[in-house]
Amino acid sequence: DTGVSQNPRHKITKRGQNVTFRCDPISEHNRLYWYRQTLGQGPEFLTYFQNEAQLEKSRLLSDRFSAERPKGSFSTLEIQRTEQGDSAMYLCASSFGGADTGELFFGEGSRLTVL
Amino acid sequence: GDSVTQMEGPVTLSEEAFLTINCTYTATGYPSLFWYVQYPGEGLQLLLKATKADDKGSNKGFEATYRKETTSFHLEKGSVQVSDSAVYFCALLEYGNKLVFGAGTILRVKS
Repeated sequence: DTGVSQNPRHKITKRGQNVTFRCDPISEHNRLYWYRQTLGQGPEFLTYFQNEAQLEKSRLLSDRFSAERPKGSFSTLEIQRTEQGDSAMYLCASSFGGADTGELFFGEGSRLTVL
Repeated sequence: GDSVTQMEGPVTLSEEAFLTINCTYTATGYPSLFWYVQYPGEGLQLLLKATKADDKGSNKGFEATYRKETTSFHLEKGSVQVSDSAVYFCALLEYGNKLVFGAGTILRVKS
């Protein structure tokens, strides 16, 4: 399967711990996005990369959140000192192209539960 | 900022019924508009899109027309199937290259 892959699929952690999620995009895609989705809501934009450059970050992305895409391939999203409000589904998506077409390919998500 | 409003669900229909899911948007310019679908246990996937006023997007029997005058992009299907049961998200492409999604509408189709 050559779709977008996210790991782990589910993470349960205690408040104050750090967590890291990984996303492997479709191999030829140069853009990679992170979104967050809470129950009953649509995905909310967090950040995106074009190749290894992080081009935009949402105000939702507090200083406890950091994302990297070191070689322009996979990406990691780290949350430090987790809070209960961080509990959500974290979605990764990728796309190909210069001008954005809005046609994103999403992974199945990584669900975070903070106790 | 830009935003998308969808009708609340869940929407429950019998097989072969007509489907409409309403979507309206607020945007400063003329964004591209999208419908994404999330089937149980799967990631979101693009269903259809329209890039300018009066464009009609269509796929798998679903249609939506970009109405600038009413700032709407309602999703329709003439005859739904059980396999159409999913969550449907309306979205717009905001200047700056990011999608803004509505809250989603759950569709349940009964046989």
